[in-house]
Amino acid sequence: NAGVTQTPKFQVLKTGQSMTLQCAQDMNHEYMSWYRQDPGMGLRLIHYSVGAGITDQGEVPNGYNVSRSTTEDFPLRLLSAAPSQTSVYFCASSSPGQGWNEQFFGPGTRLTVL
Amino acid sequence: GNSVTQMEGPVTLSEEAFLTINCTYTATGYPSLFWYVQYPGEGLQLLLKATKADDKGSNKGFEATYRKETTSFHLEKGSVQVSDSAVYFCALTAHNTNAGKSTFGDGTTLTVKP
Repeated sequence: NAGVTQTPKFQVLKTGQSMTLQCAQDMNHEYMSWYRQDPGMGLRLIHYSVGAGITDQGEVPNGYNVSRSTTEDFPLRLLSAAPSQTSVYFCASSSPGQGWNEQFFGPGTRLTVL
Repeated sequence: GNSVTQMEGPVTLSEEAFLTINCTYTATGYPSLFWYVQYPGEGLQLLLKATKADDKGSNKGFEATYRKETTSFHLEKGSVQVSDSAVYFCALTAHNTNAGKSTFGDGTTLTVKP
């Protein structure tokens, strides 16, 4: 199993550009989430999904869109990039069948918005 | 809502020193508790977990006990190594309609010097 994969690993955008961060998992997990990690602020939840076709907002959803058309994929779209979105983005998945919902994380995407 | 408060860092120790990183939480119901570790340039990975009161999670010499009466889950290791240098995150996951969403502390950076 590859686990949770994210692409790209690094990205530089100009203000106003749009892009999609890709996330895929091969563990058949129902739950998937996107977090951003900023210095001194831990991880903050952007959006999450409890299954294909179902998404909901997290703590910091503004400026981001998600969709979940398949169990495996959960892309994160930046509509119009802003410098405040410079961060490291982590995708994670988990399964309620485990009972404790341990999160499995991807390696992250480091995004810089100029 | 749920929240996690963990000891501020950074923490610098000499090799073979004793480590404690404090973590307290606020949650409705009885969450599962986790410690995740993040090595430089990588995503988070599960270090240990506990799913009910008085459970002790352990892995790689690290331990933490789920204390419901003090709502705490402090991380300890008797003798740290240079390879333990990383960022440590305390987290919880609820077992209700918010299952699949984890709440993270801000992270504690540990540096172990030889």
